[in-house]
Amino acid sequence: DVKVTQSSRYLVKRTGEKVFLECVQDMDHENMFWYRQDPGLGLRLIYFSYDVKMKEKGDIPEGYSVSREKKERFSLILESASTNQTSMYLCASSLDRGYSNQPQHFGDGTRLSIL
Amino acid sequence: ELKVEQNPLFLSMQEGKNYTIYCNYSTTSDRLYWYRQDPGKSLESLFVLLSNGAVKQEGRLMASLDTKARLSTLHITAAVHDLSATYFCAVDPSRGSTLGRLYFGRGTQLTVWP
Repeated sequence: DVKVTQSSRYLVKRTGEKVFLECVQDMDHENMFWYRQDPGLGLRLIYFSYDVKMKEKGDIPEGYSVSREKKERFSLILESASTNQTSMYLCASSLDRGYSNQPQHFGDGTRLSIL
Repeated sequence: ELKVEQNPLFLSMQEGKNYTIYCNYSTTSDRLYWYRQDPGKSLESLFVLLSNGAVKQEGRLMASLDTKARLSTLHITAAVHDLSATYFCAVDPSRGSTLGRLYFGRGTQLTVWP
């Protein structure tokens, strides 16, 4: 089974801090994604990556950056945390850009609170 | 921008009843996914629909895809409490550099009561 592991289930940080959320997948997937989920808004894509050192903006990249130095690891960075970034953050991975027929696999999520 | 609309957003139904959740999308696609999310948990893949007319069934859930109408349905038969969850559809527009990126509906929160 595909395993997508997020480093923390719950995290509390202060306004202005730099926050790192880590995600690791163990199935050699090429694609990795970061979403945030807020009540009533569904899942919104922040950033995604198709390859090492490659990144593309999703729908709501402002205030975030990402890093993919190794294929299995995709990090989300909140440069200067703000209260409106309090949310559930979900990481996902999928096989490749070809016609693989495989769904995205999700981690358990990180519930981040910014005080 | 691709839009994915689910309805209803909230569904409260009695055990034993049948109901259908609808997922409409605004662009050509022949790949659609259904996910389930339990409260406080992550998303779990339910169905992968890959062509027009595709139908998949698992237990009391059946999903179908009509690419001409840009519509997928998730039909619930004889609902039981264990089906209470939020259900998401997601579309892969399968074009160019966005291959692999999914566009999600807002989710349907299903509550099944005795």
